[in-house]
Formats: sequence, structure tokens, C-alpha cells
Amino acid sequence: AQSVTQLGSHVSVSEGALVLLRCNYSSSVPPYLFWYVQYPNQGLQLLLKYTSAATLVKGINGFEAEFKKSETSFHLTKPSAHMSDAAEYFCAVSEAPSNTGKLIFGQGTTLQVKP
Amino acid sequence: DTAVSQTPKYLVTQMGNDKSIKCEQNLGHDTMYWYKQDSKKFLKIMFSYNNKELIINETVPNRFSPKSPDKAHLNLHINSLELGDSAVYFCASSQAGPTGELFFGEGSRLTVL
Repeated sequence: AQSVTQLGSHVSVSEGALVLLRCNYSSSVPPYLFWYVQYPNQGLQLLLKYTSAATLVKGINGFEAEFKKSETSFHLTKPSAHMSDAAEYFCAVSEAPSNTGKLIFGQGTTLQVKP
Repeated sequence: DTAVSQTPKYLVTQMGNDKSIKCEQNLGHDTMYWYKQDSKKFLKIMFSYNNKELIINETVPNRFSPKSPDKAHLNLHINSLELGDSAVYFCASSQAGPTGELFFGEGSRLTVL
């Protein structure tokens, strides 16, 4: 069964600093991986996804993630944090091979951006 | 135009009551979901429907009963509410298949007193 582990429930960075949110997955088949963002009192919004094409995936708002099979990782990065990036971030893996579209989420990481 | 809309946004009710949450999507998607987000923000799938057919039922107590009158609507009815049912319930939709993006509603925050 697939699973996702997000290392660090809370990450704090200064505005303008590098953002690095860690995600490791476990899957017996090639995974489909996602990063979602949740702003306060809102639903989740897709940042980016990996579906076995390019290993470096670019998403919205300047975020990108790199799929590393050897490390079973899919870490999310942004070169320069902005105050508006403060939110909850979720890594997820799509259940396979059932093709139901079901997502298994990690525990989430709260990103705090300090002025 | 809101893509996935849920009502109500907030519910506060007493233990033992019955409540319903409604969800509608105007994206033309075939698949709809209910996810539960607990107080620690952990998200877990509850149900999924594909074209009105139940395809995922994740060991949810049978007090929870989803209904999909058509592929654009998915409702959730909860009987005999318990304290542990307090959570945020999210509706989502997607095209069928494992790589489709899930579009989420804004959530319905249920508080059981």
C-alpha cells in the first residue's frame, strides 16, 4: 500500500529565503505524486503533480518539486519565500493501480513566513 | 462561478442529531469524493462516486451515508452524530483516473456539542 511521510510538521522561514518542504513516499508501483496547498479556511489547491514525465516539475506560484526515485522523495522548493506563501502544504500519492483517483495524503506541513 | 461548492459552510449541532452536507460541481467531472480533515489537519478519504456509482467506501461507520443523485452532485448524510464526528468535511471532484487533479470545495466545518 502506498504512503506518504512529510518530514517536519512546521517549517519557518524568513521572507526571501529558500523554502524546502520534505516528502517521502512508499509505493510498490511507479507513483503519481502531488503537492497541494491549503490557505486558512479554504479547500486544497493543486500546486503541482508528477505523473512519470519530467522528474523536475514546475508548479504555480514559483514552486517546483523533483522526483527522486533512488531517494523515494518528492520535496517541494521555492527559491524565495513570500508572505503570501504561509499556508498548510500537503504531499499526496495517488493510489495505484486501482485508478480510482483516490489520494493518500501526508500529515501536512505548516509553512510560516517571517518578515 | 464556484467550481465545487458545498453547503452549509458551518454546522453546529448536538450529539444524536442528524445532519446533511450538500456538494455540487460544475466542472463536468465524472468522479466526486468526500474527505474528512480532523483537528490535526489530517485528510482521509471517506467515499468516492464515479458517475453516480459508489467506488470507494473507506470503512466509514454506516451512520454516514453518501448519495449521488447525478454525477454533478454528491451529498453526505450523517445520522446520530457523535463528538468524534467534529471535523471539516471536504467535497472534491476529478476526471476519472489516477493522474487527475482533485478540485476541492471550501469545506464544511461540523461541530458536535
